[in-house]
Amino acid sequence: GQSLEQPSEVTAVEGAIVQINCTYQTSGFYGLSWYQQHDGGAPTFLSYNGLDGLEETGRFSSFLSRSDSYGYLLLQELQMKDSASYFCAVRDLGSGNTPLVFGKGTRLSVIA
Amino acid sequence: NAGVTQTPKFRVLKTGQSMTLLCAQDMNHEYMYWYRQDPGMGLRLIHYSVGEGTTAKGEVPDGYNVSRLKKQNFLLGLESAAPSQTSVYFCASSWTSGSSYEQYFGPGTRLTVT
Repeated sequence: GQSLEQPSEVTAVEGAIVQINCTYQTSGFYGLSWYQQHDGGAPTFLSYNGLDGLEETGRFSSFLSRSDSYGYLLLQELQMKDSASYFCAVRDLGSGNTPLVFGKGTRLSVIA
Repeated sequence: NAGVTQTPKFRVLKTGQSMTLLCAQDMNHEYMYWYRQDPGMGLRLIHYSVGEGTTAKGEVPDGYNVSRLKKQNFLLGLESAAPSQTSVYFCASSWTSGSSYEQYFGPGTRLTVT
C-alpha cells in the first residue's frame, strides 16, 4: 500500500520562498507528482519527478530523493495567486495499471 | 478543445435516490478516473478505467458503479444515495498507464445528499 505525509497548512509572505515537503511509504515506486488546486477549482498538474534530483519549471521546482522517500515542492517569488492547496501523489509499482494515490494536501496561504 | 467536462455541476439528492454523473473528455485519453474529495481527506479514487469497456475498483468503491461504453465517456452511478456520499466528485483522464502521473481534471460536481 501507499502512505503520503505532507503538512496540512503553510503560510508565507509575498515575494518569499516556501518549501512543501512530502514523505511517502510505498511497496514500490514510479515517481512523485505535484498538483495545485485553488479553492472551488479543479486540481491541475504542476510537475513530475521520475528520477532523483531537481526539476524546475519557472518559479516552481520539485525535488525527489528515492533513498529518503522524500520530495518537496519549492515555490519562489511567491505571489498572492499562489494561495492554493498543493497535493503530492505517487504511483505504486505494485501493479502496472495502478493509478495515483494523493496526499491529503497542504494549504498554502500567501500574505502581504 | 473542451478538455474534461462534467455534468451536472451541482446536485441535491434525498437519501435513497439514484443519479448518474457524466464525464466526457475530448483528448482521446485511454485512462479515466473518478475521485471524491472531502475536507481534509485529499482526493480518493472511487473507480477507474484503462480503456473502453473496462472498469476497476479504486480505494473507496462501495456504493458506486461505473461504466465506460465509449472511450470518451465515463459514467459514475449512485444507486441509493446516502448522506456519507455528500462530497465533491472529480473526473480525470490521462493518456496511458505510463503517463498517469499527469492527469487532467474536470471542474467537479458538488453533490449533497440530505
